[in-house]
Amino acid sequence: DADVTQTPRNRITKTGKRIMLECSQTKGHDRMYWYRQDPGLGLRLIYYSFDVKDINKGEISDGYSVSRQAQAKFSLSLESAIPNQTALYFCATSGAGGTEAFFGQGTRLTVV
Amino acid sequence: GENVEQHPSTLSVQEGDSAVIKCTYSDSASNYFPWYKQELGKRPQLIIDIRSNVGEKKDQRIAVTLNKTAKHFSLHITETQPEDSAVYFCAASRGSGTYKYIFGTGTRLKVLA
Repeated sequence: DADVTQTPRNRITKTGKRIMLECSQTKGHDRMYWYRQDPGLGLRLIYYSFDVKDINKGEISDGYSVSRQAQAKFSLSLESAIPNQTALYFCATSGAGGTEAFFGQGTRLTVV
Repeated sequence: GENVEQHPSTLSVQEGDSAVIKCTYSDSASNYFPWYKQELGKRPQLIIDIRSNVGEKKDQRIAVTLNKTAKHFSLHITETQPEDSAVYFCAASRGSGTYKYIFGTGTRLKVLA
């Protein structure tokens, strides 16, 4: 089945380290998103991309960067991780025209 | 900017009772309103959605209503069962152009047996 895959699933890293979270999809969707989930705060949008040449900041982009290497790949980087970036991160994809978003399994990141 | 408010944050109901979760959106150009269910340790998955040209949509025990004038939409679950226990998220999106999904803060539903 076509899916959205995130790697790694779990990661513990130290403050100040650079870390990359990767997302790949086989759904053939152009639109890809990175969300952060914290208890009580829902799913907050970090970055989104509508095609390979398009990158847009979401509501909480500070401290993060992204790269859209191909239609199927969208990576999220933390340049210098800090403890309050400890969270569950989800990648998602969607087709055009207001359609269902499909989520990856999530990456649980802990910054110590 | 765009915002989606969701209430309540937690909801406990007895098995067999109904549950209602409400959302309010700010972007009047939004015209697609999905609801996602996230079970413990799992990814969010779509359970029902509605578009702005429809006032109500039903799928077995779940239904969604939309009031575009008031910018409100609600999820209704009837005859709740223990497997309905999860976190539910509403979202709002424009249906075209450079839209993005804006999610509510989530409702943790507990169905008590």
